[in-house]
Amino acid sequence: QSVLTQPPSVSAAPGQKVTISCSGSSSNIGNNYVSWYQQLPGTAPKLLIYENDKRPSGIPDRFSGSKSGTSATLGITGLQTGDEADYHCATWDSSLSAHVFGTGTKVTVL
Amino acid sequence: QLQLQESGPGLVKPSETLSLTCIVSGGSISSSSYYWAWVRQPPGQGLQWIGSIYYSGTTYYNPFLKSRVTISVDTSRNQFSLKLNSVTAADTSVYYCMRHTTHGAMDVWGQGTTVTVSS
Repeated sequence: QSVLTQPPSVSAAPGQKVTISCSGSSSNIGNNYVSWYQQLPGTAPKLLIYENDKRPSGIPDRFSGSKSGTSATLGITGLQTGDEADYHCATWDSSLSAHVFGTGTKVTVL
Repeated sequence: QLQLQESGPGLVKPSETLSLTCIVSGGSISSSSYYWAWVRQPPGQGLQWIGSIYYSGTTYYNPFLKSRVTISVDTSRNQFSLKLNSVTAADTSVYYCMRHTTHGAMDVWGQGTTVTVSS
């Protein structure tokens, strides 16, 4: 049912950088704000990025967000073992009139 | 610090109605800046938005679930509720309540509650 596509998994060594893509269309990402969520195993999602590139207070600047056209990207630098989690993008879809989530990406720290 | 806590039965029989409540503490549900919502996550799968409500009672629902969903708010008790009727095994999920802004930033989440649909 998801209209936002993410890679199933990404991995990198500690200290390295990973990027996670979120691909959509003009009815969702192309014309609405994107947010990103971190979900540690067995826990609720946590807001990492909102309105495409803003970080809530308490979120380190190792996490960054960007948007271009109908795609968005989450970047994580200085990768730590504590960053191992599932990451989800989300936005509003104007055609569906619904909040939609991405397929989710599992980050593994090698 | 705002906190959300889901409550309700962990087991529901097929064809019956799933009912959950989210108690809001540490802040008012009547804030004009936020919506209150339900999201679910089937085992091993991604997140699915179910619906949202404003403190005034205005609601909007996922079109794929709209025919079976009712979300209501009780400002006197600072809580909101979810009813999902005619459930099947496909409704087995972890159900989360959360708060979001008008721009869709989902900034406060409950811990989640597991609901299993089984006879």
